[in-house]
Amino acid sequence: DAGVIQSPRHEVTEMGQEVTLRCKPISGHNSLFWYRQTMMRGLELLIYFNNNVPIDDSGMPEDRFSAKMPNASFSTLKIQPSEPRDSAVYFCASSFSSGDGYTFGSGTRLTVV
Amino acid sequence: ELKVEQNPLFLSMQEGKNYTIYCNYSTTSDRLYWYRQDPGKSLESLFVLLSNGAVKQEGRLMASLDTKARLSTLHITAAVHDLSATYFCAVDDRGEYNFNKFYFGSGTKLNVKP
Repeated sequence: DAGVIQSPRHEVTEMGQEVTLRCKPISGHNSLFWYRQTMMRGLELLIYFNNNVPIDDSGMPEDRFSAKMPNASFSTLKIQPSEPRDSAVYFCASSFSSGDGYTFGSGTRLTVV
Repeated sequence: ELKVEQNPLFLSMQEGKNYTIYCNYSTTSDRLYWYRQDPGKSLESLFVLLSNGAVKQEGRLMASLDTKARLSTLHITAAVHDLSATYFCAVDDRGEYNFNKFYFGSGTKLNVKP
């Protein structure tokens, strides 16, 4: 298995632009998680899905953030409009509810200038 | 909300020395995970501890879980420079819907000096 695949690896955008991050979970995993990591705030859970259904989005910082999971093999995290304080590394992780833990993607490093 | 506290947050140690990282959590859970993150990289799973008294070892690292004390430890034996990384513990709060939602500690940044 290729693991959790995220794209792009790096994204530099101007303030006010729309940004879309993509994630392909491991085949067979039924839970998907979006995290944001910064030096100041550490790892923050933004939203998670189970069987493609959003279960908890209480970590989404503002309405500018939205996430979708249209099918079991694809999820997006969108920021519109982006702001410099959104600069961070965004990780996607997936799991199967068997207690094996999460598998993380390589992350997307977002820089908003 | 479940709280997970790691200590120390920063650890600088000499090669060849032993040390322990502690992970305390605030709720009853019998599932705890340790991850390693190298600078600029993703999180890599190290250990999965699924019951009270569980002990796992890999090379110079050994992790244990005491669910009654709500404590997990990551013990480093005879540290080497390659172990320099940030180590996170995470607790599974399966909650109302029985989904595996993890709460992460702040991480322990380990620097092993030659």
